Amino acid sequence: EDQVTQSPEALRLQEGESSSLNCSYTVSGLRGLFWYRQDPGKGPEFLFTLYSAGEEKEKERLKATLTKKESFLHITAPKPEDSATYLCAVQDGEYGNKLVFGAGTILRVKS
Amino acid sequence: ETGVTQSPTHLIKTRGQQVTLRCSSQSGHNTVSWYQQALGQGPQFIFQYYREEENGRGNFPPRFSGLQFPNYSSELNVNALELDDSALYLCASSPLGYNEQFFGPGTRLTVL
Repeated sequence: EDQVTQSPEALRLQEGESSSLNCSYTVSGLRGLFWYRQDPGKGPEFLFTLYSAGEEKEKERLKATLTKKESFLHITAPKPEDSATYLCAVQDGEYGNKLVFGAGTILRVKS
Repeated sequence: ETGVTQSPTHLIKTRGQQVTLRCSSQSGHNTVSWYQQALGQGPQFIFQYYREEENGRGNFPPRFSGLQFPNYSSELNVNALELDDSALYLCASSPLGYNEQFFGPGTRLTVL
């Protein structure tokens, strides 16, 4: 069965203090790995899709990378508005389009 | 281009009742998926609809059922509500040929 584990569960950063969030996964056939941002009480907002080991995607202060067993979301010089829960999900080619999510990392950036 | 919309925003029901949640997919998207998100957890896949037929189901009992309409809007029906059904229910749509799913704002269901 597909599994996604995210760490840490929560992360507190000072504004400008760069860090990384981890997503480790177990799937029989990776079709895609997805990163989402979720603000309290709202639906997840799509950030990135990664398909193969070695792939990298960037958007503003965020950069996502992928290996055969894990993905990292690097946050460079974060701002308070980057505070949110970051969710990682995998899509297994054997199970259609369903996404299997991790529990998320709650990020708080203080000014 | 309008995004995915869901209604209602919040809903309070009592145990044993039935509920219907609605979703309007993003324009041009013909696949819709439903997820349940309990507090502090990631979303869990309930089922997916494509061309008005169920196209995959997660580990949810038959009292969770759905419909997709020709205009790609969708409903999630839950019968015999239980306290553990209290959660944020999310609808997500995908355009044909794409893996990305785009989520609506969700419906917060509270079962008392």
